[in-house]
Amino acid sequence: DAGITQSPRHKVTETGTPVTLRCHQTENHRYMYWYRQDPGHGLRLIHYSYGVKDTDKGEVSDGYSVSRSKTEDFLLTLESATSSQTSVYFCAISAVASTDTQYFGPGTRLTVL
Amino acid sequence: AQSVAQPEDQVNVAEGNPLTVKCTYSVSGNPYLFWYVQYPNRGLQFLLKYITGDNLVKGSYGFEAEFNKSQTSFHLKKPSALVSDSALYFCAVRDIGNQGGKLIFGQGTELSVKP
Repeated sequence: DAGITQSPRHKVTETGTPVTLRCHQTENHRYMYWYRQDPGHGLRLIHYSYGVKDTDKGEVSDGYSVSRSKTEDFLLTLESATSSQTSVYFCAISAVASTDTQYFGPGTRLTVL
Repeated sequence: AQSVAQPEDQVNVAEGNPLTVKCTYSVSGNPYLFWYVQYPNRGLQFLLKYITGDNLVKGSYGFEAEFNKSQTSFHLKKPSALVSDSALYFCAVRDIGNQGGKLIFGQGTELSVKP
């Protein structure tokens, strides 16, 4: 998986609790992304980062925040988890934001009860 | 707005037969197109991409894809399917200039190869 790890790989939590997912890369790529995968929707972008401390929203960013304090780490936080955030979350990396390939991590399966 | 469509939710093929997984796109400007495969409980693995040049792109595991500008299609093909090709396949277009060049994905096509 191109030097990308995600933790935890599985998590079950309760509605209203905060949750943080971590993505770690060893490729020194500038761009990092968080997507969520839901049946019938493919993958949709939540947030992305284009450098340390530089982040921006994707198409489904409500209820999520991100932080990137180091090149290699990109954190996704669900401030107050809801059942609609039950999903599989994938991190991706890319060297540039144009024709370069995005490589994906193994995913985190999150269940909000 | 950029979009990708995979018209078939599922494709069934017998082992040894050729397979095609269909993808059509709608973009403004030049399309940068990708195919990924997802095995159960795994992340997405990159198969191939079209950026420019030859319309027939060769990728991993014997897969290839044909870019057709007039039909706005980018179908994934393999001459002889294997049972191990059974997986979920995603077509995607890179949205250059928006949101960090995010990928816009189709809904996915489940490929089932039977012995």
